[in-house]
Amino acid sequence: AQSVTQPDIHITVSEGASLELRCNYSYGATPYLFWYVQSPGQGLQLLLKYFSGDTLVQGIKGFEAEFKRSQSSFNLRKPSVHWSDAAEYFCAVGNYGGSQGNLIFGKGTKLSVKP
Amino acid sequence: DAGVIQSPRHEVTEMGQEVTLRCKLISGHNSLFWYRQTMMRGLELLIYFNNNVPIDDSGMPEDRFSAKMPNASFSTLKIQPSEPRDSAVYFCASSATGTARYEQYFGPGTRLTVT
Repeated sequence: AQSVTQPDIHITVSEGASLELRCNYSYGATPYLFWYVQSPGQGLQLLLKYFSGDTLVQGIKGFEAEFKRSQSSFNLRKPSVHWSDAAEYFCAVGNYGGSQGNLIFGKGTKLSVKP
Repeated sequence: DAGVIQSPRHEVTEMGQEVTLRCKLISGHNSLFWYRQTMMRGLELLIYFNNNVPIDDSGMPEDRFSAKMPNASFSTLKIQPSEPRDSAVYFCASSATGTARYEQYFGPGTRLTVT
């Protein structure tokens, strides 16, 4: 069965610093991979997705993620963090066991941004 | 385009009362997912539908919970009777078909408090 691991529960970075959030998945074939962001009191918003092709994908708000098959990873990056990026970030993988498109989510990484 | 619409946004009720949460899918989407989010358990998938048919309800906590899709664009999640441990934020999400079936778009959530 597929699974998603986000090793970091909470990360704090300074505004303007670079960011990398880790995500590891478990699946034998090429997965469908996603990053979502949840601001306080809000629903989850899709940041970016990977289905196939170029392993470096660009998303909204200046985020990017790189699919690395050899490491079973899909880490999220941003070169310069803004205070408004403080939120919780969820990595997810498409559940191929269910044909109708449900996702398996990681437990999330909470990002705090220091001024 | 309107996104996923949920109502009410906040619900406070007493233990033993019936609670109904509502969700309107994005136009053209045909899959609907209900999630529950708590601090302790994170984001949990409760049930999902495809073309109005429930596909997997294994995440529904117990018989007090029921979900329906009376038509292609609308769903309800009912809790009867409600208990304090049901307090959580409930999200619904919708998705389309094909590859896009994994791209879930979330509503703003309903914050339920059972006293």
